[in-house]
Amino acid sequence: DAKTTQPTSMDCAEGRAANLPCNHSTISGNEYVYWYRQIHSQGPQYIIHGLKNNETNEMASLIITEDRKSSTLILPHATLRDTAVYYCIVRLINAGNNRKLIWGLGTSLAVNP
Amino acid sequence: NAGVTQTPKFQVLKTGQSMTLQCAQDMNHEYMSWYRQDPGMGLRLIHYSVGAGITDQGEVPNGYNVSRSTTEDFPLRLLSAAPSQTSVYFCASFSLAGIEQFFGPGTRLTVL
Repeated sequence: DAKTTQPTSMDCAEGRAANLPCNHSTISGNEYVYWYRQIHSQGPQYIIHGLKNNETNEMASLIITEDRKSSTLILPHATLRDTAVYYCIVRLINAGNNRKLIWGLGTSLAVNP
Repeated sequence: NAGVTQTPKFQVLKTGQSMTLQCAQDMNHEYMSWYRQDPGMGLRLIHYSVGAGITDQGEVPNGYNVSRSTTEDFPLRLLSAAPSQTSVYFCASFSLAGIEQFFGPGTRLTVL
């Protein structure tokens, strides 16, 4: 699976959009981009995933560049409860029984009042 | 659904003691896994299972045993605890036909 690179930490003002970048320059055509987050001391929580089109759900939007070498997770109106570590992961589409995810250190997002 | 549950939430062991961390899920997921998380490091896979009776090793399996006798349960055994096993342990599950992994709340283990 391709590796990802994320900034170590970011700050965002409450109510503003939080844009979290991820570089996955070695991604292959059959790999999804996944985003999870981990609020302090809790288990990671799935946010969103995508292949090449932009995706949106009730939690966030995912923008993937045309060459698929990077993506951005957007939290449109960040709240204090969005303070967490955000992980960007790539995984094979047809992973079958191979569902191992390679977890990096993620981006620690601090939402400030 | 309760999702993924883990017990205990906290545990303190002495070096050499044994114990079992429990994990259960009620979503009928085929795939279950155990991770450990240490300060300054990402989640690392210990063992995983793709169904009852089938288990395999992850990145850091040494010192841990698992078994999967039912779809619902996937216990993690420490046969002889060592201080290096002090960590937070997470259990996860998902359906092979699904998308997301579901994580339990974690077990914080300290080995003295």
